Amino acid sequence: EVQLVESGGGLVQPGGSLRLSCAASGFTFSSYDMHWVRQATGKGLEWVSAIGTAGDPYYPGSVKGRFTISRENAKNSLYLQMNSLRAGDTAVYYCARWGYDSAFDYWGQGTLVTVSS
Amino acid sequence: EIVMTQSPATLSVSPGERATLSCRASQSVSSNLAWYQQKPGQAPRLLIYGASTRATGIPARFSGSGSGTEFTLTISSLQSEDFAVYYCQQYNNWPPLTFGQGTKVEIK
Repeated sequence: EVQLVESGGGLVQPGGSLRLSCAASGFTFSSYDMHWVRQATGKGLEWVSAIGTAGDPYYPGSVKGRFTISRENAKNSLYLQMNSLRAGDTAVYYCARWGYDSAFDYWGQGTLVTVSS
Repeated sequence: EIVMTQSPATLSVSPGERATLSCRASQSVSSNLAWYQQKPGQAPRLLIYGASTRATGIPARFSGSGSGTEFTLTISSLQSEDFAVYYCQQYNNWPPLTFGQGTKVEIK
């Protein structure tokens, strides 16, 4: 059974940093592109970052230069280092697998990040 | 950036009735479009990819159609468990991957 379990969320002050983790199981982690998607309370879904099987990262303009995605295949783990956090980064952050057929075929349960003083 | 626009924002439907949700892309995304269902407090769930292919385990009452810039998700006979928010997402031209703002399907 495919499982994605996020951790590392919490309350952080504006300008602060946080590192999210996603533990994957039930599939060959190294063979899949992985993504982070976030959702502010009561709002829609926003793509945050992606990492290919070769470790190539992708970001939207809203987080480029502040967030860094990485993976550790030996530990079946995905990470998101978030720096210079802003109030607008407050959201539930989901880890998601990009399936071979394309689209996000598995999602974690999410971890809440709150940026506030 | 490709902008995805969903309509309507809210759809009120009675159980057993048909629901039709629309998604429009600001430029062609070919058939590289997915639909997701999200219930309160849960992660999204993949329903449709490639504009019209149902994901594993998705009931046949869900169907997707369209290509280019106009897409439709149809739920043929709404069941109680189908009341949720639905999002479309394009993956033809990225980064960035982009989602529509969602359509909430509520009980009439």
